[in-house]
Amino acid sequence: SQQGEEDPQALSIQEGENATMNCSYKTSINNLQWYRQNSGRGLVHLILIRSNEREKHSGRLRVTLDTSKKSSSLLITASRAADTASYFCATDGLYGNKLVFGAGTILRVKS
Amino acid sequence: EAGVVQSPRYKIIEKKQPVAFWCNPISGHNTLYWYLQNLGQGPELLIRYENEEAVDDSQLPKDRFSAERLKGVDSTLKIQPAELGDSAVYLCASSLVSYNEQFFGPGTRLTVL
Repeated sequence: SQQGEEDPQALSIQEGENATMNCSYKTSINNLQWYRQNSGRGLVHLILIRSNEREKHSGRLRVTLDTSKKSSSLLITASRAADTASYFCATDGLYGNKLVFGAGTILRVKS
Repeated sequence: EAGVVQSPRYKIIEKKQPVAFWCNPISGHNTLYWYLQNLGQGPELLIRYENEEAVDDSQLPKDRFSAERLKGVDSTLKIQPAELGDSAVYLCASSLVSYNEQFFGPGTRLTVL
């Protein structure tokens, strides 16, 4: 079974708009990671946020983590058509268990 | 720097036939993972290697799946015999440190008829 659950399942926006995706998980974690998958490049790591961090930035990406709510959000600012992809959150548990991926959010950016 | 290499990219077989997938991780990455990804789902871990040792294979269906990582570099995942439900994409990934940033290969899309 998969721990992370992304919300929404699908999102369609215009180029230039911001996109926000959410991830909820069930058990305590060490780290939470976000990955992107499109048909051209496969799965690519975007960002890792540790359980003692609350916010992290990388270029146009901003990730927040709220361990009290067991949730994370990924914000993509000024979206581009090339951002069209599926986005997955993945968590690894406190006891060194496997990295568990959610089912993903499908993002479509229209030009 | 070369990425994670997988072959073949596509494989179509009849049920009950054997099939094997090969993976070459990024040079210097001691941790290697095999994942299964069904359509519309995220990857699910099958097995994780630290060097040549399988340290997490709890999700590997051992009655029909086997894996090896001889010499702690490239790895092979085998299914024998394949069933219809095994149709999926099989992904290989590697990392410097377990469960930090993982680098994924392009995957092998398996179709079992």
